[in-house]
Amino acid sequence: AQKITQTQPGMFVQEKEAVTLDCTYDTSDPSYGLFWYKQPSSGEMIFLIYQGSYDQQNATEGRYSLNFQKARKSANLVISASQLGDSAMYFCAMSRHGNNRLAFGKGNQVVVIP
Amino acid sequence: GAVVSQHPSRVICKSGTSVKIECRSLDFQATTMFWYRQFPKQSLMLMATSNEGSKATYEQGVEKDKFLINHASLTLSTLTVTSAHPEDSSFYICSASLQGAAYEQYFGPGTRLTVT
Repeated sequence: AQKITQTQPGMFVQEKEAVTLDCTYDTSDPSYGLFWYKQPSSGEMIFLIYQGSYDQQNATEGRYSLNFQKARKSANLVISASQLGDSAMYFCAMSRHGNNRLAFGKGNQVVVIP
Repeated sequence: GAVVSQHPSRVICKSGTSVKIECRSLDFQATTMFWYRQFPKQSLMLMATSNEGSKATYEQGVEKDKFLINHASLTLSTLTVTSAHPEDSSFYICSASLQGAAYEQYFGPGTRLTVT
């Protein structure tokens, strides 16, 4: 079974600063994918970034980067230069390779303050 | 980009009635759609995987007779909550993936169900 752990309490971040959201996972699958989604108060799930387990380099998408440490089974999200619009819940998720069924962590609440 | 819609966005129903939620992929064909449920301040829990033209695959603990899923076309999947009870009140979100896509999954805006 797959398990995603996000244990940080709610976070307050100063605008323009960087924030790191922790995510650890557990799986016996040799091939898998890791995702981060943003969920603002309106409820929609917004895809941020994806990392394949065999990808050699850490994924980056604009201000988002994923710090993938396979041996430690961690996939932390780094948001650089935080903006007020980044205030939201952030969910880490994983899927088996070739199977798009997602298992989500409990989420991290981020509030960006001016 | 790929757009997924859900209808209705909010619904209030009385206990014992059934409610149908639609999930549509607007600009692409989705061979697979997923249904999730999210209770307040909790994570998304996958309920079932819906494949066009075949029976849905339900996750452990999800009652298939209570949550009826139909995926009649490549752009539409429906979730019917039968004989709804207050404990079924939740945020229901669907997602859709493109045929042959490695991992892309696009989420709908969600449906807030309140059972009184």
